[in-house]
Amino acid sequence: KQEVTQIPAALSVPEGENLVLNCSFTDSAIYNLQWFRQDPGKGLTSLLLIQSSQREQTSGRLNASLDKSSGRSTLYIAASQPGDSATYLCAVITGGGNKLTFGTGTQLKVEL
Amino acid sequence: DAGITQSPRHKVTETGTPVTLRCHQTENHRYMYWYRQDPGHGLRLIHYSYGVKDTDKGEVSDGYSVSRSKTEDFLLTLESATSSQTSVYFCAISEHTGTGSNQPQHFGDGTRLSIL
Repeated sequence: KQEVTQIPAALSVPEGENLVLNCSFTDSAIYNLQWFRQDPGKGLTSLLLIQSSQREQTSGRLNASLDKSSGRSTLYIAASQPGDSATYLCAVITGGGNKLTFGTGTQLKVEL
Repeated sequence: DAGITQSPRHKVTETGTPVTLRCHQTENHRYMYWYRQDPGHGLRLIHYSYGVKDTDKGEVSDGYSVSRSKTEDFLLTLESATSSQTSVYFCAISEHTGTGSNQPQHFGDGTRLSIL
């Protein structure tokens, strides 16, 4: 059974800092990995999707990397802003049906 | 934003009553999903659909049933609600393009369900 872990569970940083969020998964036979953002009381917003054959994806200040063989992904956020404060979730697709298995998230707070 | 509407957005009901949640999409995507989100457990898949009348179970399907009679609508039913089903329920959609799809899942805003 696929298990996804995100460490740390919570993180507080000053504005402007570059930061890295971590995601690990136990079964390396994934099809793809997706990073989401969730604001309090809201749904999930898709940030980046990395296919199993890819090493990284970039969108603006966000860069996600994937090391499938070691079961790890990182989300790098450059020059963090208070508006980046949210919970960040990673999820993987392992089997058929395009079913996502989620980590429990990292709650990020960017302080002025 | 992906065209996904969940209804109702909030509901309070009593143990033993039937409850139906609706997910409506305007994207004509093939795949639709129901997840629940609970503290300490994250999001877990309840059921999903890969086409009209085609559904399958997820990780936590006990006590839930689903139906999809049209591409745009996916219903989640709790036949006899229990307090353990108090949760936030999310619907998601994706355009599946084969094994290892590169199409992301997009989520609705959720339904907050409280069962007393």
